Amino acid sequence: QVQLVESGGGVVQPGRSLRLSCATSGFIFSSYGMHWVRQAPGRGLEWVAAIHYDGSRQYYAESVKGRYTISKDYSKSTLYLQIDNLGAEDTALYYCARDKGTVTPDFDYWGQGTLVTVSS
Amino acid sequence: DVVMTQSPLSLPVTLGQPASISCRSSQSLVHSDGNTYLDWFQQRPGQSPRRLIYKVSNRDSGVPDRFSGSGSGSDFTLKISRVEADDVGIYYCMQGTYWPLVTFGQGTELEIK
Repeated sequence: QVQLVESGGGVVQPGRSLRLSCATSGFIFSSYGMHWVRQAPGRGLEWVAAIHYDGSRQYYAESVKGRYTISKDYSKSTLYLQIDNLGAEDTALYYCARDKGTVTPDFDYWGQGTLVTVSS
Repeated sequence: DVVMTQSPLSLPVTLGQPASISCRSSQSLVHSDGNTYLDWFQQRPGQSPRRLIYKVSNRDSGVPDRFSGSGSGSDFTLKISRVEADDVGIYYCMQGTYWPLVTFGQGTELEIK
């Protein structure tokens, strides 16, 4: 069965970097686009980043461009999100989601999320 | 930017009664391919989001037929015909028409009265 398991969250000081991981199984990782969606405490869902199934293109929300980098490791079937220069606004639960769409995003599976807390 | 506005933001409902959530977009969600990419998600307390409806009115596998989606252009509705205790949570609409811009509504919290 399809599984998405996020990890890498924690309490991080402002200005530091963090890499989130989303380990996948149960499907052909190289055939699907992948996304990160976050949810700040008590807030709604916010789309953050996406990567094409073959890694050829990456997309970012304006609010994170320049500080976030999404990538895929096909040998490990794992999705990553590198976050640099962390600030309070990055505090959130980060979900990875699988995309089976061909025209627009079609989220069919989500992970359970990994919590990032930025605090000194 | 495409802004998605949901109403109400809080929805107390009596068990067995119907519920309706509105989602309006600041621009038409009709894609150049003729489809309208408006989805509805349910997020139960402590859980990840789960999609209920895709392309306005198509129910995902395993979603009870108590849930239905309708609408067109920039005006959409999610209806629950008879609310059950299991339906408690936050409901979000999401547009994908303007990909690579993806926008969610603010969310509507459904609670049992």
